[in-house]
Amino acid sequence: AQSVAQPEDQVNVAEGNPLTVKCTYSVSGNPYLFWYVQYPNRGLQFLLKYITGDNLVKGSYGFEAEFNKSQTSFHLKKPSALVSDSALYFCAVRASTDSWGKLQFGAGTQVVVTP
Amino acid sequence: EPEVTQTPSHQVTQMGQEVILRCVPISNHLYFYWYRQILGQKVEFLVSFYNNEISEKSEIFDDQFSVERPDGSNFTLKIRSTKLEDSAMYFCASSEARGQGARNQPQHFGDGTRLSIL
Repeated sequence: AQSVAQPEDQVNVAEGNPLTVKCTYSVSGNPYLFWYVQYPNRGLQFLLKYITGDNLVKGSYGFEAEFNKSQTSFHLKKPSALVSDSALYFCAVRASTDSWGKLQFGAGTQVVVTP
Repeated sequence: EPEVTQTPSHQVTQMGQEVILRCVPISNHLYFYWYRQILGQKVEFLVSFYNNEISEKSEIFDDQFSVERPDGSNFTLKIRSTKLEDSAMYFCASSEARGQGARNQPQHFGDGTRLSIL
């Protein structure tokens, strides 16, 4: 069975400071990892994914994430946070052996960026 | 940019009534999904659908639930006899097929239907 843990319910950061949202996973075989963002009253919006290759992946809106196989982590980062980055962030995993693509989501981390 | 659209945005229904939630996936996508998010909880997988049949379903997706793709564009989720605990936000998602199927493609989500059971 696969699972995702987001250890922080909320992350507070001042605008302009670096932002990190943590995610660890458990899956059989190789993981396919995703980050999504949810703004109020909206659906989940895809940010980036790791499938294979370079451990550092870049995505939308200046976000990037680093895959660390030994630590089974996939932390989301942004060098300089904006107030508009305030939202709910979800990490998700699927097994590489899963043909149908079911996603297992973490509980979500609320990011609050203050001016 | 193409979007997944869901209607209605909010559905209020009496317990025991049938409800149909509607979704229009992105037009060239072949894999379709329903997820739900109970208030304050994580997003949970309900069902995946490919080639006009269910490919996988979770334990949540019991006999009260069904999905259908009645035409070339719509994808619906029906709950036959709603219960209070069905109150949640329901998200439709779709992904395209390339190479290894749906495995490495991101899913694109609609804005959801908030279902409130009274």
